[in-house]
Parts: sequence; C-alpha cells; structure tokens
Amino acid sequence: DTAVSQTPKYLVTQMGNDKSIKCEQNLGHDTMYWYKQDSKKFLKIMFSYNNKELIINETVPNRFSPKSPDKAHLNLHINSLELGDSAVYFCASSLLAGAHTQYFGPGTRLTVL
Amino acid sequence: GESVGLHLPTLSVQEGDNSIINCAYSNSASDYFIWYKQESGKGPQFIIDIRSNMDKRQGQRVTVLLNKTVKHLSLQIAATQPGDSAVYFCAATSPGTYKYIFGTGTRLKVLA
Repeated sequence: DTAVSQTPKYLVTQMGNDKSIKCEQNLGHDTMYWYKQDSKKFLKIMFSYNNKELIINETVPNRFSPKSPDKAHLNLHINSLELGDSAVYFCASSLLAGAHTQYFGPGTRLTVL
Repeated sequence: GESVGLHLPTLSVQEGDNSIINCAYSNSASDYFIWYKQESGKGPQFIIDIRSNMDKRQGQRVTVLLNKTVKHLSLQIAATQPGDSAVYFCAATSPGTYKYIFGTGTRLKVLA
C-alpha cells in the first residue's frame, strides 16, 4: 500500500502551458506539503496545508497554486510554465504540523521545454 | 537566513566500515532534527530523528548524535552496506515555524 502517492511521475510540457500534479496520502495525516528539489538535490518547502488550511506559503511565484479538496489530497497547479520550473516536485505528509516526521511521495519530475 | 549545511558533498567508504555524515545548523532554536535517505529516483525516506532534549539516539545500525553547543549533528551508519548508497539529508525545524530546513545532501558511496 502506497502511503503518499503522486501523479504523474513524469511530466514533459512546453513553456507557457498549465499543468497540475496530484498528491494523495492514506496515512490519516492532517498536514501535507509540497517541496521542490532542484538539479543539485536541494529540497525547498513551497507550501503546507494543515487540515485543508494553508499554513506555509514560501516565496513562490503566484503561478503556483496549491489546492486541498480534503486533508488527504493536496494538488499543485502551475500556470504559464517556465524553463526554470523544471525540477522534481515532492509531496509529503505528517501526522500534525510542526515537529513530526514527514513522509515523502515518490516525486514528479517536471521538464519544461 | 537560516541554513542547514553538510560538511562533505560526497563520502566514499569501504563496505563493512562505519560511515559518519555530518551536518551543521544555524538556528539555535531548532528543536527537532531528522535524517533522510534518498535513493536515486525516489523520495526521501525517514531514517532516524532526535529532539533537542537528547544528545544521542540509536536505531538499527544507525546512530544520531546532537551537539547543541556547536549546533552540529551527525549520522553514524555501522557496517556500511551497498544498499546504504544514497544521498543523505539532515533537516531541522524550530518551534512554531511548521517548516523544515533541509541541508544540501551528502552522497554516500559504498565501495566493494
């Protein structure tokens, strides 16, 4: 059973397009996250939702919009994709917000051409 | 700004030897630390954690040491195996921030 799942695993698209990445967790956790990992493996938090409420919103272009329809799902929509958006995007979840272990999904490799 | 860094980008060890991966953090208010392992093409996987009220914590073949005085933590892997080859990250969080600051990662290579 997959704890944190993401779709798609790979996404190749043209500049200017709009795309979405979906994330689901079956752990019963209250908090979910989106991270971006660049080509140097650096992981940076983008957003976090706790029970469908946004609690972390880092300095991310407003082309990126997270959506949490329920606490088991956190989707990431990206408008007007740019070359610099190419990266691996990871979804994660934790039981509660704060000092709790985060469990990561397998990642979505986004390539913008 | 707040940062979490690692001393070495790549660490090569012989199979069977012990590995030590180091990490420095800048925020003295950090109170919870996690080590993650990331294999190629996969997401980071939890290895072990430690809270700031502890100096040492042991798991199966892994030990984390925390030195709050110099803001340093380390991950020790005993009897390193080929399956331990991966990138290792430390991450730290502070009270009330809800977010983790991740280090830049150390690639561990296990030599046969």
